[in-house]
Amino acid sequence: GQQLNQSPQSMFIQEGEDVSMNCTSSSIFNTWLWYKQEPGEGPVLLIALYKAGELTSNGRLTAQFGITRKDSFLNISASIPSDVGIYFCAGRRDGGSNYKLTFGKGTLLTVNP
Amino acid sequence: DAGITQSPRHKVTETGTPVTLRCHQTENHRYMYWYRQDPGHGLRLIHYSYGVKDTDKGEVSDGYSVSRSKTEDFLLTLESATSSQTSVYFCAISERTGDSGANVLTFGAGSRLTVL
Repeated sequence: GQQLNQSPQSMFIQEGEDVSMNCTSSSIFNTWLWYKQEPGEGPVLLIALYKAGELTSNGRLTAQFGITRKDSFLNISASIPSDVGIYFCAGRRDGGSNYKLTFGKGTLLTVNP
Repeated sequence: DAGITQSPRHKVTETGTPVTLRCHQTENHRYMYWYRQDPGHGLRLIHYSYGVKDTDKGEVSDGYSVSRSKTEDFLLTLESATSSQTSVYFCAISERTGDSGANVLTFGAGSRLTVL
């Protein structure tokens, strides 16, 4: 099946620092999604990207759809303790078929106050 | 809020026993999904449904069956649970969200299953 390489696997940062994580693939995707999962909860959608080169923000979060369509990036600025969680990327090749979503393995973010 | 309820939220069972997890949604969504989440593997699709009595396999369907007799309920059954099925199981629905009406997955809170 399709593979998504998400990195880093984990990050330990100080409050106030900026964070960057990314997903790469050998396949082209038409949609990139970024989710956050907090302990004991299901993943929650943060940002959805639909066009190559697209840059979208949601508060302190900014995500980009790579020009090659094979990668995506998520940045968090001025991190705070509540940013702690697992961040997942997901890629979809078909425009409307969510059963074809491929998920990365996640980036575990720890923020030290 | 997509109105997704998973039950039970936690279950401990023994190898060889049958287990059924239930996903209930209140907003008449057509598509429903079952995923499992394991360390080092992320989220993997088990089965999905595209309507009442219409289901199909995902990438890790062996050992699992599903049923959807009503739009609002999607059941995941482990006929004979094994230790390798110890996992956290998530139900999800497809819904359109945001100004663009983007079609994305929305997840339930999960069901943690331990098979001893």
